[in-house]
Amino acid sequence: GAGVSQSPRYKVAKRGQDVALRCDPISGHVSLFWYQQALGQGPEFLTYFQNEAQLDKSGLPSDRFFAERPEGSVSTLKIQRTQQEDSAVYLCASSLEGAANEKLFFGSGTQLSVL
Amino acid sequence: KNEVEQSPQNLTAQEGEFITINCSYSVGISALHWLQQHPGGGIVSLFMLSSGKKKHGRLIATINIQEKHSSLHITASHPRDSAVYICAVRSGAQKLVFGQGTRLTINP
Repeated sequence: GAGVSQSPRYKVAKRGQDVALRCDPISGHVSLFWYQQALGQGPEFLTYFQNEAQLDKSGLPSDRFFAERPEGSVSTLKIQRTQQEDSAVYLCASSLEGAANEKLFFGSGTQLSVL
Repeated sequence: KNEVEQSPQNLTAQEGEFITINCSYSVGISALHWLQQHPGGGIVSLFMLSSGKKKHGRLIATINIQEKHSSLHITASHPRDSAVYICAVRSGAQKLVFGQGTRLTINP
């Protein structure tokens, strides 16, 4: 596609519910990143994929968070047993190869509200 | 102390004013990004710097590696420049470390 696409745009979940957030990166982009942005804060790193390999998951806040990219393109961020503190905007970004001097392309994010 | 500090946190100015947003970081970096985020969450990459200065239209970004400091300037500011501007650094690992952002409001 023309840009990074994320769905759903908004998600309201009841506490304890499982959610799945989708990211469709720019076609051909090797690197894919997930970030979490709390209200009024800058984004914080969650995890990084190079193709289908999850090379860094150090930012995932708990074992309730799980991300996958099985075919090296679309990625899914899954949150199990959601808690109110999980409410945030979840941003996905991709880049062509993941080099330090590459431009990043961001999706519009999924705004998750846990009630 | 955060690894990336931005100032000011909020900035309100009149249309036409020259705007400066500052970013200081405490780690060694391989690249620094300036990003623009409009209400609704979409983030656009404005600049990626590893040294010197870059210019795009009315936007100018500079970086001083020795002082670990970068600035984003907007000349002849316009209400459509109103957004949150975020500084982010990459320190060799793949992940970016973000500042908290500067909320800029340009009044007509």
